[in-house]
Amino acid sequence: QKEVEQNSGPLSVPEGAIASLNCTYSDRGSQSFFWYRQYSGKSPELIMFIYSNGDKEDGRFTAQLNKASQYVSLLIRDSQPSDSATYLCAVRGSQGNLIFGKGTKLSVKP
Amino acid sequence: NAGVTQTPKFQVLKTGQSMTLQCAQDMNHNSMYWYRQDPGMGLRLIYYSASEGTTDKGEVPNGYNVSRLNKREFSLRLESAAPSQTSVYFCASSELRGSGNTIYFGEGSWLTVV
Repeated sequence: QKEVEQNSGPLSVPEGAIASLNCTYSDRGSQSFFWYRQYSGKSPELIMFIYSNGDKEDGRFTAQLNKASQYVSLLIRDSQPSDSATYLCAVRGSQGNLIFGKGTKLSVKP
Repeated sequence: NAGVTQTPKFQVLKTGQSMTLQCAQDMNHNSMYWYRQDPGMGLRLIYYSASEGTTDKGEVPNGYNVSRLNKREFSLRLESAAPSQTSVYFCASSELRGSGNTIYFGEGSWLTVV
């Protein structure tokens, strides 16, 4: 059974700072990794996915993957109060489903 | 473009009652999923359907049944609701694209069993 671990937080950063969210996974054979954002009372929404070692950038978001260390991270530059949410890390399962971590709650203080 | 639509959004059931959560997607996706989300537990897969006509158990299937009615619709049934099934339920759908697999979620159904 694949497992995904995240620090539950809360992680608090000041507005304009870089927020760093981390995730580790148990299955060395995992190929695809995803970051979702979930606002309170809302459904998860995809931020980005990554499947190659290294960095992938999309606007203020950068996903980093290190397969040797089984580690995925999400950096949010110039954090805004609107980024305050729970961030879910996920890996793709063998049947196409996603296996989620429990999420890290991020709070960006004005 | 509606995406993934779930009904009902809110429901209160008495222990032992039955109900069906409905889900439909308009993105022509082959795969559909039902997850539940509980505080401190994250999202857990209940059942999934890789394609029309197939269904398989996920991590927490006990107490649930599903039906893949056609390519668009995937329903989740609670035959005899228990308080432990109080949760938020999310339906989702996806289409494999290379090494990525973008899963899109419905808005959720808040279920309370008293």
